[in-house]
Amino acid sequence: AQSVTQLGSHVSVSEGALVLLRCNYSSSVPPYLFWYVQYPNQGLQLLLKYTSAATLVKGINGFEAEFKKSETSFHLTKPSAHMSDAAEYFCAVSKKAGGTSYGKLTFGQGTILTVHP
Amino acid sequence: DGGITQSPKYLFRKEGQNVTLSCEQNLNHDAMYWYRQDPGQGLRLIYYSQIVNDFQKGDIAEGYSVSREKKESFPLTVTSAQKNPTAFYLCASSISDGTDTQYFGPGTRLTVL
Repeated sequence: AQSVTQLGSHVSVSEGALVLLRCNYSSSVPPYLFWYVQYPNQGLQLLLKYTSAATLVKGINGFEAEFKKSETSFHLTKPSAHMSDAAEYFCAVSKKAGGTSYGKLTFGQGTILTVHP
Repeated sequence: DGGITQSPKYLFRKEGQNVTLSCEQNLNHDAMYWYRQDPGQGLRLIYYSQIVNDFQKGDIAEGYSVSREKKESFPLTVTSAQKNPTAFYLCASSISDGTDTQYFGPGTRLTVL
């Protein structure tokens, strides 16, 4: 079974500081990995995804994530936080990697990012 | 504009009533999904459908039912058998491009009084 662990349910940073949101996964096969962002009372928006190409993945809004197989991690970073980055962030792993069935995502519990002025 | 729409945004129902949540997509995606979101629990899969007239139970299907009569539509019915239906419900869809990246609608917040 695949699983995702997001370390830290709440992360607080100052505006302009580095953002680091941690995600570790377990998977019996090379996974597809995703980061989504959710603003209050809205749906999830795809930030970026890893699909076995480059290990450093760049996404929208200045975010990027690095796939590290040896550490089974896919941490999300942004060099300089902006007030508009305050939201909840979800890491997800696909249950399919080159198989024949449609992928089902397993989500982490989410990390709420607070940005202080 | 292509996208996923969910209606209504907010829904209030009395305990014991069935209620149907709408999800429509014009992205020409093959697969569609329903998730339930509760604070601190992430997203849990209720049902998913790969093609028209076919759907499978997810992790928490009890008390819910779905249909997939058209590619564009995947309505979810929350029945009176669902013990704790108050939650935020999210619909998603994906295309079979090898990555099955899922795209989400804006959600429906259901409150059972």
